[in-house]
Amino acid sequence: GAGVSQSPSNKVTEKGKDVELRCDPISGHTALYWYRQRLGQGLEFLIYFQGNSAPDKSGLPSDRFSAERTGESVSTLTIQRTQQEDSAVYLCASSRYSSGTGREQYFGPGTRLTVT
Amino acid sequence: AQSVAQPEDQVNVAEGNPLTVKCTYSVSGNPYLFWYVQYPNRGLQFLLKYITGDNLVKGSYGFEAEFNKSQTSFHLKKPSALVSDSALYFCAVRPWGNNTDKLIFGTGTRLQVFP
Repeated sequence: GAGVSQSPSNKVTEKGKDVELRCDPISGHTALYWYRQRLGQGLEFLIYFQGNSAPDKSGLPSDRFSAERTGESVSTLTIQRTQQEDSAVYLCASSRYSSGTGREQYFGPGTRLTVT
Repeated sequence: AQSVAQPEDQVNVAEGNPLTVKCTYSVSGNPYLFWYVQYPNRGLQFLLKYITGDNLVKGSYGFEAEFNKSQTSFHLKKPSALVSDSALYFCAVRPWGNNTDKLIFGTGTRLQVFP
C-alpha cells in the first residue's frame, strides 16, 4: 500500500517568507508526528497528533512554527518568517493508534527546506 | 536530561564480517528502544524494537539488537555484513511515562560495508 507522502520534496525560500509543508499519512494511521533533521544531527521531535486529542506541541522551537491536522488525514506544518537556522529536512511519520504502546513509526521521504 | 548516544559517526566493516553499531541511552524508567535505517535518498525505515521480554530482539534484514539494562545499551548487530547494508543507522528511545510515542533520536552512525 501507499506509504507516507510529503510535499514538496524540496523547498528553497528567502529569509522572512512563510512556508507550508504537507504530510499525507498512511490510511488508518491515527497518530502523526513531525520531526526536523538538521545536517549531521539526529531527528528532533516537533509535534504529535493523535486523533481528535489536543496535539503535543512540546517540541516546536518557537511560535513561528505551527501545525494543523484535520481528523486523521493530511497535516500541514507552517513556518512563518523563516530564518536560516530553519534549514533542515522536515520528516513526517505516522503510526497506528498510539497510547504509549511502542508502535513503530513509518516515515515519509521528507521535505528539504533551504532558507537563503 | 533524556538522551541517546551513538558514539561512532562511522563504522567500517568488510563484507562477510560481523558488525556492531553502538547505542547507549539515558532515560528515567523503562525505555522502549528502536533502530531505524536510512538508505540514500529514501526515508527512515523501521528495523526493530525492544518493548519488554527477551533482551535479544530480531528484526528486518538479519539484524538483531541486545537490550542491556545495566549498561543502558542497545547495540545493533549482524553476524555477516552485506554491501547493501551500507546506510545511516539511528537509535531512538521512547521515554517511560509519556502518553505519546514521540522518540528521542541519536545523531546516527554511518555504516560502510566494503566488498
